[in-house]
Amino acid sequence: EVQLVQSGAEVKKPGESLKISCKGSGYSFTSYWIGWVRQMPGKGLEWMGIIYPGDSDTRYSPSFQGQVTISADKSISTAYLQWSSLKASDTAMYYCARLNPEGIQLWLGGGWFDPWGQGTLVTVSS
Amino acid sequence: QSALTQPASVSGSPGQSITISCTGTSSDVGGYNYVSWYQQHPGKAPKLMIYDVSKRPSGVSNRFSGSKSGNTASLTISGLQAEDEADYYCCSYAGSSTYVFGTGTKVTVL
Repeated sequence: EVQLVQSGAEVKKPGESLKISCKGSGYSFTSYWIGWVRQMPGKGLEWMGIIYPGDSDTRYSPSFQGQVTISADKSISTAYLQWSSLKASDTAMYYCARLNPEGIQLWLGGGWFDPWGQGTLVTVSS
Repeated sequence: QSALTQPASVSGSPGQSITISCTGTSSDVGGYNYVSWYQQHPGKAPKLMIYDVSKRPSGVSNRFSGSKSGNTASLTISGLQAEDEADYYCCSYAGSSTYVFGTGTKVTVL
């Protein structure tokens, strides 16, 4: 079964750093892009960025460029989303999702997100 | 890169058909045949319902169908059922290796 399992909920203070994870199983982790999506409380989905674990090629939404860092460790089939200095406005649910099809060339366009991780709730409060 | 525009809410009675629109620009929805749709129940992760405008993944009911005309994509749910009550989001490739989601639509089954 293809599955993405995310790390557990986090409660942090403003200014702290954080790295959350997304572990893939049941497929060739290095052959599919992994995307990250934010959902603020009561709000819609926002595409943050994407990484190809095979070579760590990473792309960001202009809205999130410089605000977060996406990385991956292909040896343990895990993608990461990290912040160096959290703000209260980072409070949200964060989802990872696999981009299909396998080996898609992003510059050509296309792709759909499936499956999704269960989400990681990040709460930033003083 | 602005979010695609969806109606905030759509409602229908059981058995009826409803259509959710997703309006973008020629740089996203209108420029590519790469629109997907996701269903999200409260407290749950999104689930893929339609990809590449009109293709249905295995396991998704054939009551769900997708289409596109110009800069607007649409998701139609026919034979509306209580279990279809959820939030729905469209997503489009937006060029330069980026993607954009819609604003989301809450579907209510009356």
